[in-house]
Amino acid sequence: EAGVTQSPTHLIKTRGQQATLRCSPISGHTSVYWYQQALGLGLQFLLWYDEGEERNRGNFPPRFSGRQFPNYSSELNVNALELEDSALYLCASSLAPSGQETQYFGPGTRLLVL
Amino acid sequence: GQNIDQPTEMTATEGAIVQINCTYQTSGFNGLFWYQQHAGEAPTFLSYNVLDGLEEKGRFSSFLSRSKGYSYLLLKELQMKDSASYLCAVSLKGTGANNLFFGTGTRLTVIP
Repeated sequence: EAGVTQSPTHLIKTRGQQATLRCSPISGHTSVYWYQQALGLGLQFLLWYDEGEERNRGNFPPRFSGRQFPNYSSELNVNALELEDSALYLCASSLAPSGQETQYFGPGTRLLVL
Repeated sequence: GQNIDQPTEMTATEGAIVQINCTYQTSGFNGLFWYQQHAGEAPTFLSYNVLDGLEEKGRFSSFLSRSKGYSYLLLKELQMKDSASYLCAVSLKGTGANNLFFGTGTRLTVIP
């Protein structure tokens, strides 16, 4: 069974540009989560989508946004890129939320903002 | 606020046993996960504890005490491939929350 996939693996942008990152969850999973892992820091929760709806967001500015499509894949958009947005962006998926489901992570997209 | 504390780095010898501690102060606690993350790779699931006690899975065991806000990951018969970061994460359960809150991770180096 295929795991969580993310594209692209690497992305280089300049300050002020927009970045779009994509994620395909494990088949049968309806929830998708986005995390940011900056160098030397722990994973920081960004967004949670389930059944096409944004369910919760972390402490990030509104220029971080996303959506979930009917096939449960998801997109993370980062507008007006800043240098400190350079990080590894990880997507995770899980079964429908019950409070005890395990999140499985994709390989991540490494974003570099110059 | 939410807080998770883990040691930043640990070193252990191949074949030995190592215990990685995690203490947490969070709201809406629902359970605690341990993930392994090799450098440049995605975190991979190791264990999940929701009830107090020890969960054993091969060479890895995880313990939880909810009343003390404490967990540990025990790795036995260490192998060189166990060199990685070990992430402690709390599953938050509250109004609208279903995300994981992660500690900064413990970088374990296994030496011959």
